[in-house]
Amino acid sequence: DGGITQSPKYLFRKEGQNVTLSCEQNLNHDAMYWYRQDPGQGLRLIYYSQIVNDFQKGDIAEGYSVSREKKESFPLTVTSAQKNPTAFYLCASNPGSRSPLHFGNGTRLTVT
Amino acid sequence: SQKIEQNSEALNIQEGKTATLTCNYTNYSPAYLQWYRQDPGRGPVFLLLIRENEKEKRKERLKVTFDTTLKQSLFHITASQPADSATYLCALPEIYNQGGKLIFGQGTELSVKP
Repeated sequence: DGGITQSPKYLFRKEGQNVTLSCEQNLNHDAMYWYRQDPGQGLRLIYYSQIVNDFQKGDIAEGYSVSREKKESFPLTVTSAQKNPTAFYLCASNPGSRSPLHFGNGTRLTVT
Repeated sequence: SQKIEQNSEALNIQEGKTATLTCNYTNYSPAYLQWYRQDPGRGPVFLLLIRENEKEKRKERLKVTFDTTLKQSLFHITASQPADSATYLCALPEIYNQGGKLIFGQGTELSVKP
């Protein structure tokens, strides 16, 4: 079955530590995205990549970094510079512009 | 900038009734609009896409309308079932017809009671 795998499902970190969230897809999609979801709020775009070795900042990129070295992988690093990192993080992909997004099942990050 | 407003209050209905969820946007009318379903602790799942030149789109018990004059999309679930209970999100492109960068509403939680 094709899909998007996010791991781990739950992640706990101490304040001041960087943490990397994994996102892998076997859908052969060119574009990949990272969204953040907070209670009562819509999804907010952190970073997106439309092709390997290229990515753009979304609306809330500060305190985050990404890489896109392979088509199937788009890891997100939450750095210590991110002021409120505790959230539900969703990775998504699509085959190209204007196609619906396929989402993974998210990683819930808790930073204390 | 474009903003999306969905009913923040949960919608509670009886099984068998029609659920109607609203998505209003504030600025330009987009080239298309999408609806997703999200279950607790899971990622959203795509349901339907409607384009600006389509007044209505149907898929089984689901129906979406798109009124560019009212700047509104309505999402209907007919003959609702408890399994339809979830949060429903609408999304549209940040720029008129741009792909990729979607803006999402905060979602409306639907609860269908048996």
